[in-house]
Amino acid sequence: DQQVKQNSPSLSVQEGRISILNCDYTNSMFDYFLWYKKYPAEGPTFLISISSIKDKNEDGRFTVFLNKSAKHLSLHIVPSQPGDSAVYFCAASVAGNTPLVFGKGTRLSVIA
Amino acid sequence: SAVISQKPSRDICQRGTSLTIQCQVDSQVTMMFWYRQQPGQSLTLIATANQGSEATYESGFVIDKFPISRPNLTFSTLTVSNMSPEDSSIYLCSVDGGLVLFEQFFGPGTRLTVL
Repeated sequence: DQQVKQNSPSLSVQEGRISILNCDYTNSMFDYFLWYKKYPAEGPTFLISISSIKDKNEDGRFTVFLNKSAKHLSLHIVPSQPGDSAVYFCAASVAGNTPLVFGKGTRLSVIA
Repeated sequence: SAVISQKPSRDICQRGTSLTIQCQVDSQVTMMFWYRQQPGQSLTLIATANQGSEATYESGFVIDKFPISRPNLTFSTLTVSNMSPEDSSIYLCSVDGGLVLFEQFFGPGTRLTVL
């Protein structure tokens, strides 16, 4: 049973517009969430995170929103750039338990 | 941040053989992790490797199939034993210790194809 779900395998967005990547989780014990970005032939790299005590965290063009009651989080990229084209993984953790649980990823394509 | 390298970057192997993947980190780290990403699937943790102790395996993974060594604080190996086509995956090592809680640094991965 997948505890972290990314139901959209792919997303295509025009350059300059907003990209919204979604993630749902089932384990209510998760209290820390991270987004990773992965380019082909490279390992995932950390992008942004959020603790369950917050509902929003912003870092430049990237904002993560957390809706605990819906067990849903989303990553917003504004404005989207061609260099943002990659696979984005949502990951979750229970505080004090380092191993991360990952979703299957969403492939974002930003079209110039 | 940690810089992680993996060898080999990719390999094609025959059924029934074994492959050892190496992971080298440019700094000393306590915990190293091994993940598998099967085609179209999420990253799944295989085991956690701490220096000086036996690796801790996640449910569904056993030491006989995926033996791990951790001889020092900068190096680890994962062996995929008696391979079958179902073992075709990307194998990644990672380490923790970023400035962000639970942030992990990943190696570039080893793409394994078993014929």
